Amino acid sequence: EVQLVESGGGLVQPGGSLRLSCAASGFTFSSYSMNWVRQAPGKGLEWVSYISSSSSTIYYADSVKGRFTISRDNAKNSLYLQMNSLRAEDTAVYYCARDSYYGSGRYFDYWGQGTLVTVSS
Amino acid sequence: SYELTQPPSVSVSPGQTASITCSGDKLGDKYACWYQQKPGQSPVLVIYQDSKRPSGIPERFSGSNSGNTATLTISGTQAMDEADYYCQAWDSSAYVFGTGTKVTVL
Repeated sequence: EVQLVESGGGLVQPGGSLRLSCAASGFTFSSYSMNWVRQAPGKGLEWVSYISSSSSTIYYADSVKGRFTISRDNAKNSLYLQMNSLRAEDTAVYYCARDSYYGSGRYFDYWGQGTLVTVSS
Repeated sequence: SYELTQPPSVSVSPGQTASITCSGDKLGDKYACWYQQKPGQSPVLVIYQDSKRPSGIPERFSGSNSGNTATLTISGTQAMDEADYYCQAWDSSAYVFGTGTKVTVL
């Protein structure tokens, strides 16, 4: 059974930093690209970042580019998101999501339960 | 940047058909997928590659995509289908989500 378990969320002041983790199990982690997706309270879904299986390709949403860094450790079956210079608008539930694709289409076939990040003074 | 637009809400009676649209420029040239999200839960993939259902998703969920519009259809809607639904596509090295539609089963 595929499992994705996020951790590391919490309350942080504006301008602060936080590191999220996602522990993966139930599949060959090193064979899959992974993503972070967030959802502000009462709002819709917003993709944050993508990392390929070997970490050779990384993409970011414009809203986090230059502030967030995605990484992974295939030996530990773990995905990370380092978040710096946090703003109030970064407040959201952050989901770890497994990437899948067909032809030119990409989608998320499994999601974690999410971890809440609150940016407030 | 690419945008996907959905109606904010759709209401349907139990047993009837609900159709949720997702509009984007030349969306039919891309692959669309759909997620269901119930309150307090993580999203679940219900349609990918325009019209394919993942294992475990009921047959009453179907999808299509042509021109500028992708459509998710729920046939014989049940009370358990009440949820938020999001379309999604891949464009220019970014994942784009639709604005989301709340489906209410009256």
